[in-house]
Order: sequence, then structure tokens, then C-alpha cells
Amino acid sequence: DAGVTQSPTHLIKTRGQQVTLRCSPKSGHDTVSWYQQALGQGPQFIFQYYEEEERQRGNFPDRFSGHQFPNYSSELNVNALLLGDSALYLCASSLWTSGRSYNEQFFGPGTRLTVL
Amino acid sequence: LAKTTQPISMDSYEGQEVNITCSHNNIATNDYITWYQQFPSQGPRFIIQGYKTKVTNEVASLFIPADRKSSTLSLPRVSLSDTAVYYCLVGDYSNTGKLIFGQGTTLQVKP
Repeated sequence: DAGVTQSPTHLIKTRGQQVTLRCSPKSGHDTVSWYQQALGQGPQFIFQYYEEEERQRGNFPDRFSGHQFPNYSSELNVNALLLGDSALYLCASSLWTSGRSYNEQFFGPGTRLTVL
Repeated sequence: LAKTTQPISMDSYEGQEVNITCSHNNIATNDYITWYQQFPSQGPRFIIQGYKTKVTNEVASLFIPADRKSSTLSLPRVSLSDTAVYYCLVGDYSNTGKLIFGQGTTLQVKP
């Protein structure tokens, strides 16, 4: 049973460019969340997708956008890259079940983005 | 969501029990307490979750007092491989699962 997978592993871009990161959720999961983790900091929530719609969004500008496909996989797009966008981008999958007492999220290994 | 406070770092030795305490004075009635572990260059991994009293699994124990304003993650007989960052999270995840991470506690296990 494959866990959460992300691609690419590493990426180097220059300021102003655009980037697309990809995520495949754990088998059986239908919800994907994206997080940004700067060096030495905890992950920061970007947004969450369920049924191909953005359900929640953190405090990130519109340069950050996403998409979820019918097979539950997801993409994170970042436009007009800034130096400050350099971080580890984590994808987490879970099962959207209304009324559950908790929601364990399974994280992928992340994509390391470096903006020069 | 309730804010959490935990020590920035802790040191321990192999074979010792490690207790990491987290304060969450503003915890709400519907909030659960969750701990994640993160190794360098990896995503966080769920360790344990609880609402009140004590929860134990094969990895750790979680102690929550009656007022729920704090919690303690207990790792029995740590090994070098337990060196990681440990995050305490508090929130109502019943419908959304939006996780709010703080800075976490960096645990260094020494031989």
C-alpha cells in the first residue's frame, strides 16, 4: 500500500518563475492538504482540497493555487516566485468523514523548492 | 484554534524515558490534542491523539489532566532513532483536519 507520494523531490527556480508540485494521496484517502515549511519552522497550512474544491485556505496570497483531480491527486501551483517561497512543501492526505472524532493526516516526504 | 507552548529543545540519553509537556490554556471543549513527529527532510508522522486522561499506543503515551490545559507526551526508553522534532497540536478536526503547527520540540537523544 503506497503512502503519500510527491514529485519532484527537489526543484530549483528563479524569481518570477512559476512552479507546479504534485501529490498522490495514500490509497483510500480523498482529501489533500498542502503545507509550507520554512527552515527551522513548523509546517504552515496553505489549503485543503476535497471533491475537487478548495475547502479551506490558510494565510497565503493568491499566487498560491491548487487543483484536485478526480483520482484525488493534487497539484500546488505557485506563480511569480519570491525568494521567500523557498521551503519544503508538504502534502498530506486524509479521509474526509464528517463527524469523525479526529482526522489523522499522512504526510509525504515533501518537495524542496529553492528560489534563486 | 488553541495556541500551544512547548520547550524548544530537550536532550536525553538512550534508554531513558522522555516526557515532553505542552501547554494549551485556551483549549476548547471540542478540541483534541495530537502529537506529530518529524525527522529531518521528511514529513511529520502522527504519533498519538487524545481528548482526556491517558492514551497509550505502541509508540508513546499521552497524559492529559482533568483541566486539559496541558498534556505530556511520554516516550519510553528512547533510542538514537527517536531524535526528531515533536509537535503538539490542539484543534477540532472533526470536519476539516486543518493542522496548526508551532515550532515544536527538538529532542536530541545521545548515546
